[in-house]
Amino acid sequence: EAGVTQFPSHSVIEKGQTVTLRCDPISGHDNLYWYRRVMGKEIKFLLHFVKESKQDESGMPNNRFLAERTGGTYSTLKVQPAELEDSGVYFCASSLLHNTEAFFGQGTRLTVV
Amino acid sequence: AQTVTQSQPEMSVQEAETVTLSCTYDTSESNYYLFWYKQPPSRQMILVIRQEAYKQQNATENRFSVNFQKAAKSFSLKISDSQLGDTAMYFCAFMPYTGANSKLTFGKGITLSVRP
Repeated sequence: EAGVTQFPSHSVIEKGQTVTLRCDPISGHDNLYWYRRVMGKEIKFLLHFVKESKQDESGMPNNRFLAERTGGTYSTLKVQPAELEDSGVYFCASSLLHNTEAFFGQGTRLTVV
Repeated sequence: AQTVTQSQPEMSVQEAETVTLSCTYDTSESNYYLFWYKQPPSRQMILVIRQEAYKQQNATENRFSVNFQKAAKSFSLKISDSQLGDTAMYFCAFMPYTGANSKLTFGKGITLSVRP
């Protein structure tokens, strides 16, 4: 069975550009989470989908970040326009409903220059 | 709000020896879960072990065990008979029990190196 897949694995963009990260969760996992780790700091929660609905988006830093999960399958996280402080590793995780074990993707390393 | 603290940034252990990774947390919740996740170099994070706060018995998974001290809000991970494949970054994490899935709060992580 395929695990959580994230695309791209690396992205280098210039300040002011737009980047879209994609996450394909494990099939059948209704919960989908986005997290971010800035260099040297904790992994921070961004938001949580249950199926296609946003359950908790309290961790989204500002309105330059837009997450979607159309149809309750894959999810995208768009950063527009990107700023230098957006650099970091963005992790996606998925889990079955009411199951505490989250399965993580390898992450997307975003570098804004 | 919850906080998770991993105060040791790095540790090193000789192969076949035992190592303990420290984690403390702070919460006002009475029911919650605690986790240790492992991220090997260039690979995805995987769950190592999970502890339910209402259970007094410490969780064990093969060579991995925890020392859960609820009153002290301490949750350390013991790795016995360390193997080269244990080299990874280890994250301690907290999840409140809300009846539905909730987000994880992570510590900064600790880099563990196992020496041959």
